[in-house]
Amino acid sequence: DADVTQTPRNRITKTGKRIMLECSQTKGHDRMYWYRQDPGLGLRLIYYSFDVKDINKGEISDGYSVSRQAQAKFSLSLESAIPNQTALYFCATSALGHKETQYFGPGTRLLVL
Amino acid sequence: TQLLEQSPQFLSIQEGENLTVYCNSSSVFSSLQWYRQEPGEGPVLLVTVVTGGEVKKLKRLTFQFGDARKDSSLHITAAQPGDTGLYLCAGGREETSGSRLTFGEGTQLTVNP
Repeated sequence: DADVTQTPRNRITKTGKRIMLECSQTKGHDRMYWYRQDPGLGLRLIYYSFDVKDINKGEISDGYSVSRQAQAKFSLSLESAIPNQTALYFCATSALGHKETQYFGPGTRLLVL
Repeated sequence: TQLLEQSPQFLSIQEGENLTVYCNSSSVFSSLQWYRQEPGEGPVLLVTVVTGGEVKKLKRLTFQFGDARKDSSLHITAAQPGDTGLYLCAGGREETSGSRLTFGEGTQLTVNP
């Protein structure tokens, strides 16, 4: 079984709808991250959490919110989806350490019409 | 503002050729990571370099961290079709309670048989 799972894998929604992307991990890591990937822009950090009680904004947090329900779960919400939020979304986890590797989920492909 | 610039953005070569991908920044990083991403999957770590001037080899891949820890390069010798993928560099910075990564835009490599 995959260590980092994301649901759904694909989603089509309409402008103005609220949607939630979920991430679960079995690696036992404290740190979790949400990124979006757009062609030519690489991965950009939306939100990150170093432990259950810690939530931090990344470089592009506007229009997004997150919830860290447990060590293993980190959800990303789009309160009112807009077309320019169409992208590939990745969840990642890492363990404590200054050379920490980030382990990525398989991604959620989101299309906002 | 993209803190890490990768070049080239696209590279298409024939099997057996050598290539180099560059990752440049005006900022100093505590570590530099290289990831490889295949279609439909999340990025997977190839290597982490942490010391200025450090060189690491992974089979036909050679990674170098610049002396000033602002840039890095990935050199592939005798490229094979299996090397095809998106290569991402990521710079690590320490924060009070952990570290976070800044990703470059990525280099899409295609190796033709």
